[in-house]
Amino acid sequence: KAGVTQTPRYLIKTRGQQVTLSCSPISGHRSVSWYQQTPGQGLQFLFEYFSETQRNKGNFPGRFSGRQFSNSRSEMNVSTLELGDSALYLCASSSLTGALNIQYFGAGTRLSVL
Amino acid sequence: AQTVTQSQPEMSVQEAETVTLSCTYDTSESDYYLFWYKQPPSRQMILVIRQEAYKQQNATENRFSVNFQKAAKSFSLKISDSQLGDAAMYFCAYRSTGNQFYFGTGTSLTVIP
Repeated sequence: KAGVTQTPRYLIKTRGQQVTLSCSPISGHRSVSWYQQTPGQGLQFLFEYFSETQRNKGNFPGRFSGRQFSNSRSEMNVSTLELGDSALYLCASSSLTGALNIQYFGAGTRLSVL
Repeated sequence: AQTVTQSQPEMSVQEAETVTLSCTYDTSESDYYLFWYKQPPSRQMILVIRQEAYKQQNATENRFSVNFQKAAKSFSLKISDSQLGDAAMYFCAYRSTGNQFYFGTGTSLTVIP
């Protein structure tokens, strides 16, 4: 079974631009979560989507948005990029079946904002 | 809101020795799950071990075991017979009843040959 796939692996953008990151979950997984990882901050939760609906949301500004498609693939969009948005963005999928609700992570997208 | 604290930003261990990574959390929930994830330099985060809060028995996965102290809200990871491949960033995570995950800031483990 293929793992969580995130594209692209690396992105370089300039301030003010917008960016879209993509995440394809493990087949059969309907929940997709997004995290921002920066040195010293660990993983900060952005949001979770389940069956095309946002179920949980972290404490990030409205410039960060996401969506999920009917095939469970998810995209995350960041508008009006700031230097502080430079980070590793991780996507995780899970099957949400009680004790087996384990998050499986992709390799991440490294975003650099210049 | 739940918080997860890893007070050791960096740890080191001699190859073949044992090391313990600390994690504490704050919650008012009684039913939850705890996890340790490993992130090697390749960045792919992988699950090391998990613990259900309702289970008193500590989880064990080969060389990895946990010391779960529910009353103290402590969840430490013990790595026995450390190997070079254990070098990574380790994250402690809490999963709430609402299925939201909270992660600590991580502990960078160095294994010295």
